Parts: sequence; C-alpha cells; structure tokens
Amino acid sequence: GNSVTQMEGPVTLSEEAFLTINCTYTATGYPSLFWYVQYPGEGLQLLLKATKADDKGSNKGFEATYRKETTSFHLEKGSVQVSDSAVYFCALSGGYNKLIFGAGTRLAVHP
Amino acid sequence: GAVVSQHPSWVICKSGTSVKIECRSLDFQATTMFWYRQFPKQSLMLMATSNEGSKATYEQGVEKDKFLINHASLTLSTLTVTSAHPEDSSFYICSATDQNSPLHFGNGTRLTVT
Repeated sequence: GNSVTQMEGPVTLSEEAFLTINCTYTATGYPSLFWYVQYPGEGLQLLLKATKADDKGSNKGFEATYRKETTSFHLEKGSVQVSDSAVYFCALSGGYNKLIFGAGTRLAVHP
Repeated sequence: GAVVSQHPSWVICKSGTSVKIECRSLDFQATTMFWYRQFPKQSLMLMATSNEGSKATYEQGVEKDKFLINHASLTLSTLTVTSAHPEDSSFYICSATDQNSPLHFGNGTRLTVT
C-alpha cells in the first residue's frame, strides 16, 4: 500500500541555518506529493506540492523536488527563521484528495 | 482568512458523554470532507471520508458506531464521539474540498475526556 516515511525529529537549528527534512514514499501509480506545516495549536496548512516527477514545489523559501527514481520529496530551506518553528508533514495523495501523511517532523529554530 | 472553520477548538467532557464537533466550509461548497485524528507527536490518521448526502466511508479499524459522521449539507459536516472515554482524547482535524480546489484544513479540535 501507499506510505510515507519522513525523518524523525525534533530538528533543532539556529536561525539562518540550512534545513533539510527527508521524505520518501511508497506508492502505486504516480501520486501527487505535498508538504504541510502545522503551527502550534493550529490545523495544517499546505506549504507546497508537486504533481509529477521532476516537478519542484516552492513557497516561502521552502523547496522540494519530486524524485521518482529515489521516491523522495525532501524539504529544504536555505536560511530558516524562528518563525519557521512548526511540525512539517510530508504527504501523498492516494486519489480523491485522500491524503496519506508521514509521522511529522518537529522543527525548532533558535535565535 | 480561514476557509474551513472547525468548532469547538477545544472541549473537555466527562467519560460516557457524547461530543459533537462541527466542520464548516465558509466560502465554497464542500462535496467531500475528511476527518482525521492526531495523537500527541504523531501523524494524522484518516478516520473517514464523508460525501454530502451519503454515508461516510470509514477507514479500517475505526468504529462507525462510536464516531458518527453526518454531512447533511454542502457546508457542514459533524463528527460525534459517542460515549466518550479517556482513550478518545485526541486532536481531531477536518478537511474539505469541492474537488476543484486543494484541500483546506480546519484548525482542529482538542478533545479531553476525563
């Protein structure tokens, strides 16, 4: 079946550091891939997405490239800010908008 | 602004009572709504998919008689946790779509059963 595996957290970084959160997936067919962000006490917000191989999703300085050959969708940001502290979820679409989420990675950015 | 409103944002109830959580789409007609459950520091687990005017489709292992889902209109779906017990304490999140736009998530409801 479809599944998503992402690196365990927490990830603790200093402000302006480079961020990578790994995400790999297992799926039949060609799913769309997503990164969602959850700030404390809030629901999920779509951060970025990619719908086919080699697509790059980007938003707010975050990027992720859909790599079919490695079944990966790693999230990167060149310079994190304190306000980026949140939980990040990698997800794939199992069809009909049905999302399958990874376990989430908590990011803590310190000044 | 928020396009999906979830209410209440938090609720405390006594064991054995029932609790209703509402999920409303504010500026679009949600033909499909999804209900997720999130345990502390864990991922979201899909509980059920609800299509307007029809019965919800529950994921394996989710008790349909315990988690009653109603999607009677294109802007409202409700999740009722019946005869709640402490192990039902969790963060419940809904999402909604009109099939032509991305999923929009509510802000979640934290349920604590004492």
